[in-house]
Amino acid sequence: SQKIEQNSEALNIQEGKTATLTCNYTNYSPAYLQWYRQDPGRGPVFLLLIRENEKEKRKERLKVTFDTTLKQSLFHITASQPADSATYLCALNRPGTYKYIFGTGTRLKVLA
Amino acid sequence: KAGVTQTPRYLIKTRGQQVTLSCSPISGHRSVSWYQQTPGQGLQFLFEYFSETQRNKGNFPGRFSGRQFSNSRSEMNVSTLELGDSALYLCASSAGQGEEYSPLHFGNGTRLTVT
Repeated sequence: SQKIEQNSEALNIQEGKTATLTCNYTNYSPAYLQWYRQDPGRGPVFLLLIRENEKEKRKERLKVTFDTTLKQSLFHITASQPADSATYLCALNRPGTYKYIFGTGTRLKVLA
Repeated sequence: KAGVTQTPRYLIKTRGQQVTLSCSPISGHRSVSWYQQTPGQGLQFLFEYFSETQRNKGNFPGRFSGRQFSNSRSEMNVSTLELGDSALYLCASSAGQGEEYSPLHFGNGTRLTVT
């Protein structure tokens, strides 16, 4: 069955450092991969989308890479801030399925 | 533009009862999806609607059902509630013709507790 794993349940880093989150998937060939941020008690918020034919996408301090050979996406937050503390989710989908498969998320805590 | 609105925000029900949750998508969005979020399983897909048609359904029992109205508003219903149905139910809408690459816009969910 399709499975998505995110590298760890929780990740603590010091303010100013780069946070790197991992999303690995098996038994699936996504056309699109998205990253979302979720704060406690709130719904996920879309951050970035990357297509299967793209290697890298950037938006301000965020960078996403997508390696379809390794079946892996890396999500980087540079110059991290305490306000970046949240749970980050990756989500995959393919045309015609009309559904997203979500990873279980990584809880990031940026320490001041 | 107003975001996705879900009502009610919290619900407490007893086993065996049924419940209806409501979702109003962002104006102009015609695709509405529902997800169940639990600590152990993460976000699990329930179903997706576009222009009142269900295009996909997740692996949930028939007690879970949904519908979409002509104004794109959606409801989901859970009958004969079980303790394991306690979860955060999230509704999401997306723009356009339901293109696969359209990001999901989530509401803040309905927290359902079954006792």
